[in-house]
Amino acid sequence: DVKVTQSSRYLVKRTGEKVFLECVQDMDHENMFWYRQDPGLGLRLIYFSYDVKMKEKGDIPEGYSVSREKKERFSLILESASTNQTSMYLCASSFSPDITQHFGDGTRLSIL
Amino acid sequence: KNEVEQSPQNLTAQEGEFITINCSYSVGISALHWLQQHPGGGIVSLFMLSSGKKKHGRLIATINIQEKHSSLHITASHPRDSAVYICAVGAGNQFYFGTGTSLTVIP
Repeated sequence: DVKVTQSSRYLVKRTGEKVFLECVQDMDHENMFWYRQDPGLGLRLIYFSYDVKMKEKGDIPEGYSVSREKKERFSLILESASTNQTSMYLCASSFSPDITQHFGDGTRLSIL
Repeated sequence: KNEVEQSPQNLTAQEGEFITINCSYSVGISALHWLQQHPGGGIVSLFMLSSGKKKHGRLIATINIQEKHSSLHITASHPRDSAVYICAVGAGNQFYFGTGTSLTVIP
């Protein structure tokens, strides 16, 4: 079974802090994704990566950056956290962007 | 503009009822996915289909490519089916999500 592991289930940070969310997958997937999920808005793509050191902006990249130094790990970075970044963050991976994506359990991030 | 529309947004059912959740999409797709998200956040893939119908236990998913429409049916619903059900479509290099249907099944 594919395992996508997010480093934290719950995280509380303060405005202005630099926040790192980590995601690791164990199935040698080329593609990895970061989404945020907000009530009434569904899942929105922040960034995705189709290979090591490659990244593409999704629908809402502002305020975020990503890092993919190794194939199995995809990090989401909030450079200077703000309260409007309080959300559920979900990581996913897949062999191809348009086939089944495997999701982590999510990180519920609160910015105070 | 939403590429994927789901209905209803919220659904409450009595245990044992037959449930239908609908999904319409506006883009050309390679496949449509039904996902389930339980309280606590984890998302699992229920079905991936590009034509016809698939069945897994009490869950049935159908798709009509010409009408760009899919339905997820749950037969003999149970409280453990309470979750958010999300329709998603893969189109080229993109993946589009519906906003989800929150289902509550009351004992």
